[in-house]
Amino acid sequence: SQQGEEDPQALSIQEGENATMNCSYKTSINNLQWYRQNSGRGLVHLILIRSNEREKHSGRLRVTLDTSKKSSSLLITASRAADTASYFCATGYSGGSNYKLTFGKGTLLTVNP
Amino acid sequence: DSGVTQTPKHLITATGQRVTLRCSPRSGDLSVYWYQQSLDQGLQFLIHYYNGEERAKGNILERFSAQQFPDLHSELNLSSLELGDSALYFCASTPGGADTQYFGPGTRLTVL
Repeated sequence: SQQGEEDPQALSIQEGENATMNCSYKTSINNLQWYRQNSGRGLVHLILIRSNEREKHSGRLRVTLDTSKKSSSLLITASRAADTASYFCATGYSGGSNYKLTFGKGTLLTVNP
Repeated sequence: DSGVTQTPKHLITATGQRVTLRCSPRSGDLSVYWYQQSLDQGLQFLIHYYNGEERAKGNILERFSAQQFPDLHSELNLSSLELGDSALYFCASTPGGADTQYFGPGTRLTVL
């Protein structure tokens, strides 16, 4: 079963607006990552936040992590039409010598010009 | 461009057939992960190889198998194909011990 659950499933905004996507998960994690996927193409890593971090920034991206609520949010500021894509959260967990990344079903973001 | 290559880009085949998908990781990366992405199941982890050894299995069917060769490229073999195996298959690589995965462009498999 999927570890991360994104909310909302779909989001449509106007260019220049901010977009916020949320992710909830169920078990312990070492880190949480956000990936982006343009239609039918490979996933691109956006940002990683470790379990002992609360907030991280990268350009127009801001990620927060609340391990007590088992939730994360991705904020994209000043959105552009080129930001139109699906966004996935993925929880990373290391067990022994294995590292596993479990993906949610994603949020489809549409930025209208 | 992530540096991960996958061939072929598209594959159309019939039920009952067998296919092989190929993945070349980024130069120097020792770990290869395989994923299946379908509309109903989302992105599912299949299997992980590190430096030629199988490290973890996810939701991989018994009809599917994989291996990683000494040059670190990996192949995913899908046999006795069913209509429900139609999906995008991705591989991803990491240096090993790193958390960020670098994804290839995927192979779109259509089973008719």
